[in-house]
Amino acid sequence: NAGVMQNPRHLVRRRGQEARLRCSPMKGHSHVYWYRQLPEEGLKFMVYLQKENIIDESGMPKERFSAEFPKEGPSILRIQQVVRGDSAAYFCASSPFGTSDRRAFFGQGTRLTVV
Amino acid sequence: DAKTTQPPSMDCAEGRAANLPCNHSTISGNEYVYWYRQIHSQGPQYIIHGLKNNETNEMASLIITEDRKSSTLILPHATLRDTAVYYCIAGYSTLTFGKGTMLLVSP
Repeated sequence: NAGVMQNPRHLVRRRGQEARLRCSPMKGHSHVYWYRQLPEEGLKFMVYLQKENIIDESGMPKERFSAEFPKEGPSILRIQQVVRGDSAAYFCASSPFGTSDRRAFFGQGTRLTVV
Repeated sequence: DAKTTQPPSMDCAEGRAANLPCNHSTISGNEYVYWYRQIHSQGPQYIIHGLKNNETNEMASLIITEDRKSSTLILPHATLRDTAVYYCIAGYSTLTFGKGTMLLVSP
């Protein structure tokens, strides 16, 4: 059973470009979380999604950031018009919440560098 | 999610038990206690979770006080590879990470 897959592992974007980060959850997991970790800082919750629904987006910046988890395919975190301050590691986690298994498993992250 | 309080750092000798405390005095009845760790800059790794009862798995043991206001993660025989930041989380579905405890295991 493959783990949570995130791609790309490293992404370099120029200021003003768009960044699209992908997360494929573990098989059978219908819940996805996105977190951001700035250099030398802790993990900050961004958004919690189920298939085709955003459950909690209280940690998402109000502008330029969006997330989706379609019925088919990976979850996507999209950052429009990136700025230097968006440089960070973005982690995705998936879980089968809704069953008796409440564990969440994380991917290895996407390191975004804005130049 | 309930707020958690952990010591910023702890040391442990290799081969000894590491006991990591966590206070979560505002935890509500349906919130679980989760422990994760992050080694260097890798993705966080699930360790263990519990609701009321003590739990044990191949990685660690979790001791939750009867009033559920605090818990302790026990790594029975710490190794150098256990050096990491350990996060205690009290929540239901959304996992909110605090600053965690930096555990340094030394030879």
